[in-house]
Amino acid sequence: AQSVTQLDSQVPVFEEAPVELRCNYSSSVSVYLFWYVQYPNQGLQLLLKYLSGSTLVKGINGFEAEFNKSQTSFHLRKPSVHISDTAEYFCAVIRTGGYQKVTFGTGTKLQVIP
Amino acid sequence: GAGVSQTPSNKVTEKGKYVELRCDPISGHTALYWYRQSLGQGPEFLIYFQGTGAADDSGLPNDRFFAVRPEGSVSTLKIQRTERGDSAVYLCASSVSTDTQYFGPGTRLTVL
Repeated sequence: AQSVTQLDSQVPVFEEAPVELRCNYSSSVSVYLFWYVQYPNQGLQLLLKYLSGSTLVKGINGFEAEFNKSQTSFHLRKPSVHISDTAEYFCAVIRTGGYQKVTFGTGTKLQVIP
Repeated sequence: GAGVSQTPSNKVTEKGKYVELRCDPISGHTALYWYRQSLGQGPEFLIYFQGTGAADDSGLPNDRFFAVRPEGSVSTLKIQRTERGDSAVYLCASSVSTDTQYFGPGTRLTVL
């Protein structure tokens, strides 16, 4: 089984400041890693994903994440946040090989302060 | 192109009633998934369809929950004898590959 831990339930940050949202995962098998964003009263939108290759992946809206296998982490970063980035962010994993269910973390609410 | 759509967007019902939630996946996506997101939590897996058949229903909480996908496209999640604890956002996702799932906007179910 897989599990995902997002230790920070809420992260307040001032506009134009950098931000890092932390994600650690646990799995006995190979996984793909994802970050999804959920704006208020909306569904989940894929931000970025790591399948293989370069451990630094870039996504939409200026976000990027780095896969660290030894630390089993996949932290999300953005060098300068905007008010419009205020949302909830979910880290997720899926087992490789065949169609599989997604296992999500509990989410981190990013609040950008003007 | 059109994404995953779900209807209704909101459903309010009374305890004990029966409800149906509909999901229309992205055209051509053979895999369809249902998840449930309770307040303050991440989505949790309920059931997965490959074509018309339920390939994995291990996430359904009990036998009050049932889902169908008779023609391999639209799916309906059915909840009998609803309970207040069933209140949540029900999300549907579809995929054409084994890695990325695309989510719909969800149906917010409130059981009074």
